[in-house]
Amino acid sequence: KQEVTQIPAALSVPEGENLVLNCSFTDSAIYNLQWFRQDPGKGLTSLLLIQSSQREQTSGRLNASLDKSSGRSTLYIAASQPGDSATYLCAVSPDDKIIFGKGTRLHILP
Amino acid sequence: DAGITQSPRYKITETGRQVTLMCHQTWSHSYMFWYRQDLGHGLRLIYYSAAADITDKGEVPDGYVVSRSKTENFPLTLESATRSQTSVYFCASRGQGAVQETQYFGPGTRLLVL
Repeated sequence: KQEVTQIPAALSVPEGENLVLNCSFTDSAIYNLQWFRQDPGKGLTSLLLIQSSQREQTSGRLNASLDKSSGRSTLYIAASQPGDSATYLCAVSPDDKIIFGKGTRLHILP
Repeated sequence: DAGITQSPRYKITETGRQVTLMCHQTWSHSYMFWYRQDLGHGLRLIYYSAAADITDKGEVPDGYVVSRSKTENFPLTLESATRSQTSVYFCASRGQGAVQETQYFGPGTRLLVL
């Protein structure tokens, strides 16, 4: 059974720092991996989607990597800002469905 | 409005009552999904649908019923609500049935069962 783990569950960093969020999954047979952002009381917004044949994707200050063989992905956020404070969820697609991790709650300190 | 919408946004009901949560998307996406989000469990799939009149169970389907008579609508019914079904419910859709595409999420429905 595919399981997705995100560590740490919560993280606080000062504004301006670069940071890395980690995601691991147990079964490398996936179509893609996605990173989502969720603000309090809101739905999820897709940030980056990495196809199984790709190694990374970039969008602005965000860079996500994928290592299928080791079952790991990282989300790198450069020059963090208070507006980056949110919960970040990692999700993998082994088939038609998506399996989510429980998320990392990120707080950027002004 | 374009996109994916859910109604109601907030609902309070009593144990044993039937409740229907609505989901509507304007993209004609093939796939639609229902999730519940709870502290300590994250997002869990309840039911999903690959097309009109095609539905399938997810991880936690017990106590829920879905239907999809039209591509754009995917209602979720709690036949006899229980306190354990207090949660935030999210609907999502995915374009063109392709696994490689992202899912788009609605704003959620907060349900409280007393």
